[in-house]
Amino acid sequence: EAQVTQNPRYLITVTGKKLTVTCSQNMNHEYMSWYRQDPGLGLRQIYYSMNVEVTDKGDVPEGYKVSRKEKRNFPLILESPSPNQTSLYFCASSLRAPYNEQFFGPGTRLTVL
Amino acid sequence: DQQVKQNSPSLSVQEGRISILNCDYTNSMFDYFLWYKKYPAEGPTFLISISSIKDKNEDGRFTVFLNKSAKHLSLHIVPSQPGDSAVYFCAASASGSSNTGKLIFGQGTTLQVKP
Repeated sequence: EAQVTQNPRYLITVTGKKLTVTCSQNMNHEYMSWYRQDPGLGLRQIYYSMNVEVTDKGDVPEGYKVSRKEKRNFPLILESPSPNQTSLYFCASSLRAPYNEQFFGPGTRLTVL
Repeated sequence: DQQVKQNSPSLSVQEGRISILNCDYTNSMFDYFLWYKKYPAEGPTFLISISSIKDKNEDGRFTVFLNKSAKHLSLHIVPSQPGDSAVYFCAASASGSSNTGKLIFGQGTTLQVKP
C-alpha cells in the first residue's frame, strides 16, 4: 500500500530534550516536506526536500533541522524543543514538486512542556 | 504576511446545495493552486488543482475556478454531501521562482454539510 508513515504519532516531552520525528514514504517520490498545523494559522511549511541531499527552508524553519540521506526518509529534528513548538506535524511527499499531488502522513501530535 | 488567505473560517450548507469556498492570494508569481481536504485525526488529502494557464478545472462534483486578475480562486462542490464535512485548505506554489519547492497554505475553512 502506497503510504507516508510518521513516528511517533503522539509525543509529550520537556523543554530542551532533543527529539526526532521520523517520516518514510514507499512511493519513490523525489519531493518531501514537513508542515505544522496550528489553530487559525492553517498549515505552514517547515522544510522541504526536492531530492536526496537537497533540502531548503520553508516559512517557519527556526528551531528545526532535517536531513535527506535516502530517498524514502525525511526525519525532522528538534535539537532543543521549546513550548512554542507544541503543534500537530505532518510529513508529505509527492512525485517531483509541491504542485504535484502530495500524500500526507497521519500526523504527529507534539507537546513540549 | 499571509500570501494565501481563506477569509471564511467556517461555512454551513444544506445537503444537496452548492458549497463555495473562497481563497485569495497576493503573490503574482503563484502559478499552481491546489485544494486539500482534511478530516479530524487524519492527514490532508489532495482534492483538485489548477494551473494558471487555465481558469477552470472540474473533477466530478468538484470544480475550481481561478480569476488571475482578482488573485482569487474558489472551490465549488455540487451537490454537497454530509461526507464533505471537513476542513478545506487552499495552497499555492510558484514553479518558476527560486523557491520552487515552497507551498503556501491558507488558514482553512471548516465546511459543515447538514443532512
